[in-house]
Amino acid sequence: DSGVTQTPKHLITATGQRVTLRCSPRSGDLSVYWYQQSLDQGLQFLIQYYNGEERAKGNILERFSAQQFPDLHSELNLSSLELGDSALYFCASSLEGTGGPSSYNEQFFGPGTRLTVL
Amino acid sequence: KNEVEQSPQNLTAQEGEFITINCSYSVGISALHWLQQHPGGGIVSLFMLSSGKKKHGRLIATINIQEKHSSLHITASHPRDSAVYICAVRSRGGETSGSRLTFGEGTQLTVNP
Repeated sequence: DSGVTQTPKHLITATGQRVTLRCSPRSGDLSVYWYQQSLDQGLQFLIQYYNGEERAKGNILERFSAQQFPDLHSELNLSSLELGDSALYFCASSLEGTGGPSSYNEQFFGPGTRLTVL
Repeated sequence: KNEVEQSPQNLTAQEGEFITINCSYSVGISALHWLQQHPGGGIVSLFMLSSGKKKHGRLIATINIQEKHSSLHITASHPRDSAVYICAVRSRGGETSGSRLTFGEGTQLTVNP
């Protein structure tokens, strides 16, 4: 058990809908990362938050947004869903990750949310 | 060409064999991860390396920064080692790049009894 929790574990929805995925980081971790794993694209970095602020952005679509709340949990919002959005969505957390090798810490992954868009 | 390349893509071994999975990358990095993904989908971080060698139980990870290459070795392999092993790098991008990881495509390892 990594200490990172994600809900829900499974989500089935229809095209055009909007869903929210939730992540609670390990106690004490300030950074949260979101990753998408699809069959054709593999694992891809979406976005990182550090202590409530966006830190780095990857291949995140405009239909997707995220935020990190004062209690450090994070939510990933996916809207206008398409069939191709079906994937495993992972959250990870680390103590820091603000840049620079001296502050970088290991990332701990949550169990993932499996999203199926029908 | 992907920034992170792994080989082989698939590997089948007999229980007890010594296994090596390779990872090559094309960018400057500040750290390299080896991850294990179980059939159920969960991801476990095995190692984080920036130089040299690390060992944990039957697993050994090495990195050669000059050659931009890392290897993951499994000694005395066991069927429970069957999983996908993923190499991921954090580029040396400084403050603006955060701690984003770039992933290899993974190596599917099957260890038969």
